[in-house]
Amino acid sequence: AQTVTQSQPEMSVQEAETVTLSCTYDTSESDYYLFWYKQPPSRQMILVIRQEAYKQQNATENRFSVNFQKAAKSFSLKISDSQLGDAAMYFCALASGNTPLVFGKGTRLSVIA
Amino acid sequence: GAVVSQHPSWVICKSGTSVKIECRSLDFQATTMFWYRQFPKQSLMLMATSNEGSKATYEQGVEKDKFLINHASLTLSTLTVTSAHPEDSSFYICGGGTGSSSYNSPLHFGNGTRLTVT
Repeated sequence: AQTVTQSQPEMSVQEAETVTLSCTYDTSESDYYLFWYKQPPSRQMILVIRQEAYKQQNATENRFSVNFQKAAKSFSLKISDSQLGDAAMYFCALASGNTPLVFGKGTRLSVIA
Repeated sequence: GAVVSQHPSWVICKSGTSVKIECRSLDFQATTMFWYRQFPKQSLMLMATSNEGSKATYEQGVEKDKFLINHASLTLSTLTVTSAHPEDSSFYICGGGTGSSSYNSPLHFGNGTRLTVT
């Protein structure tokens, strides 16, 4: 079975500061993808970043980057220069083989002006 | 980027009636459509996976006769909640992918449908 665990139900960050959201996962597959999705109050699911397991280099997308530790099965998201628009629920997700996307329980991020 | 249009965004219906939710992929062909349900302040729970032209695969505990899924074309998938009851009230969201699974093709989600059954 594949599982995704987000141990931080809520996080807050000051505007312009940096915050890291944690995610751990478990899978028996050797090849898989990891994702971070953002769900703002509009409830639209927005893909933030994705990481291919076979790539050692951490993915980055502008202010968003990940720290992918394959051996530890850890996939944290770092948001730099936080903006008010970053406030949302963030879901970590895992996909491998023919298994549908599995989501963690989410972390609610608040950005303080 | 790829867009999935989901309608309606919000619907209120009476108990016992049926409601159809549509998801259209506007600028790509969604080989696979995943249907999720999300309760307040909770994560997305997969209900079923549908591939164009074939029967949907339902997750354990999801009643296939109650949640009818049709994926007749590469651009349209529908979820019909039949004989809706108040406990079916929830947020339903679809995610379209271009592969046979979400493995190497990130899903593009619709905006979701908030269903309230009175």
